[in-house]
Amino acid sequence: GNSVTQMEGPVTLSEEAFLTINCTYTATGYPSLFWYVQYPGEGLQLLLKATKADDKGSNKGFEATYRKETTSFHLEKGSVQVSDSAVYFCALRHNAGNMLTFGGGTRLMVKP
Amino acid sequence: DVKVTQSSRYLVKRTGEKVFLECVQDMDHENMFWYRQDPGLGLRLIYFSYDVKMKEKGDIPEGYSVSREKKERFSLILESASTNQTSMYLCASRSTGMRGYTFGSGTRLTVV
Repeated sequence: GNSVTQMEGPVTLSEEAFLTINCTYTATGYPSLFWYVQYPGEGLQLLLKATKADDKGSNKGFEATYRKETTSFHLEKGSVQVSDSAVYFCALRHNAGNMLTFGGGTRLMVKP
Repeated sequence: DVKVTQSSRYLVKRTGEKVFLECVQDMDHENMFWYRQDPGLGLRLIYFSYDVKMKEKGDIPEGYSVSREKKERFSLILESASTNQTSMYLCASRSTGMRGYTFGSGTRLTVV
């Protein structure tokens, strides 16, 4: 079946540091890949997505590239801010299906 | 913007009680989902519905049931609450043919 593995947190960074949160997946065929973000006390919001190999999703300075050869979708940001502190979830949806499969989530804490 | 509203942010219930969690969406989406979120486990799908009166089990349906009598409303029911159902519950909706999901803010349920 489908599964998503992401690095365990928490990840603690200083403001303006470079961020990478690793995400790898197992799925048959060509799933769509997503990053969701959950700010404290809120639900999940879609951060970015990619629907086919080599696509790059980007939003709010975050990027992730769909790498089929390594089955990865790592999240990166060149310079994090305190306001980026949140929990980040990697997820996939098989194009023939209706459901999202989530990774375990990675808490990011950015200190001033 | 699509809005998914969960009726309660926080609930405290006693073991053995019947608990109803309500979710309403305002954009005529066909698909609605209930997830529970636990630290380190990410989001796990409990049930989903792709149409009125239709429901499908997710990964962890035991101890739960659902009701979808109207398109905009999807209720999660804990028939007899137990302490291991203490969790954050998230509702989501999606229109068929769209890739993005919209999540509610969550209901944090504590069973004592």
